[in-house]
Amino acid sequence: SAVISQKPSRDICQRGTSLTIQCQVDSQVTMMFWYRQQPGQSLTLIATANQGSEATYESGFVIDKFPISRPNLTFSTLTVSNLSPEDSSIYLCTSLRDTPDTQYFGPGTRLTVL
Amino acid sequence: AQSVAQPEDQVNVAEGNPLTVKCTYSVSGNPYLFWYVQYPNRGLQFLLKYITGDNLVKGSYGFEAEFNKSQTSFHLKKPSALVSDSALYFCAVRLRSGNTGKLIFGQGTTLQVKP
Repeated sequence: SAVISQKPSRDICQRGTSLTIQCQVDSQVTMMFWYRQQPGQSLTLIATANQGSEATYESGFVIDKFPISRPNLTFSTLTVSNLSPEDSSIYLCTSLRDTPDTQYFGPGTRLTVL
Repeated sequence: AQSVAQPEDQVNVAEGNPLTVKCTYSVSGNPYLFWYVQYPNRGLQFLLKYITGDNLVKGSYGFEAEFNKSQTSFHLKKPSALVSDSALYFCAVRLRSGNTGKLIFGQGTTLQVKP
């Protein structure tokens, strides 16, 4: 199973600033995904990041707000831009080699926006 | 629309009693089915999955789940609950077709096991 690490584990940011979250996988994977978990809510997919192509965003999420990079097969970043208190959430990264596989999640990044 | 339903926001059981956390889904085709658990201030941990074969799948920490195709359900079960099982449980599905890898999550069920 893939081991996923995320940095930072938590952060407190001011309104209007940006936060970049890093996700590192211990092996090469085809797909990487970014999810958001708002307080007391379930997980919602933000986007899928494939190496060598632009990220694919889910309805309600846009690249200007959530730019994603995928420079190689083991690493991705998610930036949450122009922060507002509504962005306070846990952001989780996960990866997948093939569709029957299990997706293991990173420990998450807890973002609080003041 | 593709969706996953966990009809109970919270399930309360006494330690030692059997537990069931319900999950039904409405998606096209026969999806892959998953259960995850989230402990307070922790990430999401994988419990078990159904891909194919036997309808009863066994997973981590003594949990099992039963796939019922006709009822489109994938209920999580454990014969004897522990206080340490108290956590937030998520059911999720992933479509077999399209190769998108996207997981669709239920809203979560809080399991409270009392001594």
